[in-house]
Amino acid sequence: EDKVVQSPLSLVVHEGDTVTLNCSYEVTNFRSLLWYKQEKKAPTFLFMLTSSGIEKKSGRLSSILDKKELFSILNITATQTGDSAVYLCAVEAYVLSGGGADGLTFGKGTHLIIQP
Amino acid sequence: NAGVTQTPKFQVLKTGQSMTLQCAQDMNHNSMYWYRQDPGMGLRLIYYSASEGTTDKGEVPNGYNVSRLNKREFSLRLESAAPSQTSVYFCASKPGTVSLVGPLHFGNGTRLTVT
Repeated sequence: EDKVVQSPLSLVVHEGDTVTLNCSYEVTNFRSLLWYKQEKKAPTFLFMLTSSGIEKKSGRLSSILDKKELFSILNITATQTGDSAVYLCAVEAYVLSGGGADGLTFGKGTHLIIQP
Repeated sequence: NAGVTQTPKFQVLKTGQSMTLQCAQDMNHNSMYWYRQDPGMGLRLIYYSASEGTTDKGEVPNGYNVSRLNKREFSLRLESAAPSQTSVYFCASKPGTVSLVGPLHFGNGTRLTVT
């Protein structure tokens, strides 16, 4: 059974701090790892990682994947109150028979709170 | 561009009642998914449809049925609602072929309460 574990489950920091969110996984036939940000409604896509060691960056957010050690980190620098959200990590596996992906396996999320 | 549209946004049911949650996407995606999200449990896959005409069970399919009506629409039906089905339900879609990797696009969710 595919498994995704995120840590910490919750985190409270002050505005301007840098945070690192962790995601470890066990999955058969790994295809990709994705990070989402969820505020009040639907999760919104942040990054998709398929190769080890290649950093993806968008503004103050960055992420990297280690396929040997089976984990990913999401970094947020110079945090702002608007970064407060639940950050979800998900892993996609190949379905070898019949083709097509069978959906993502999600971790429980990290609830990040940025205090002014 | 609407993306993934879910209806209704909120619903309250009594135990034993039935209802259908509707989902439509206008991105010409092949694959569609239904997830439920419960506090402390993350998002769990109920059913998915890799292409029009096919559906498969996910992690938590019991108590649900689905229909992939056409390429755009994927509905989730609760035949006899139970309090354990109180949850937020998300529909999602992606291009979804063996060779094409891409992120899921989510609808805004349906908050369902079963009393």
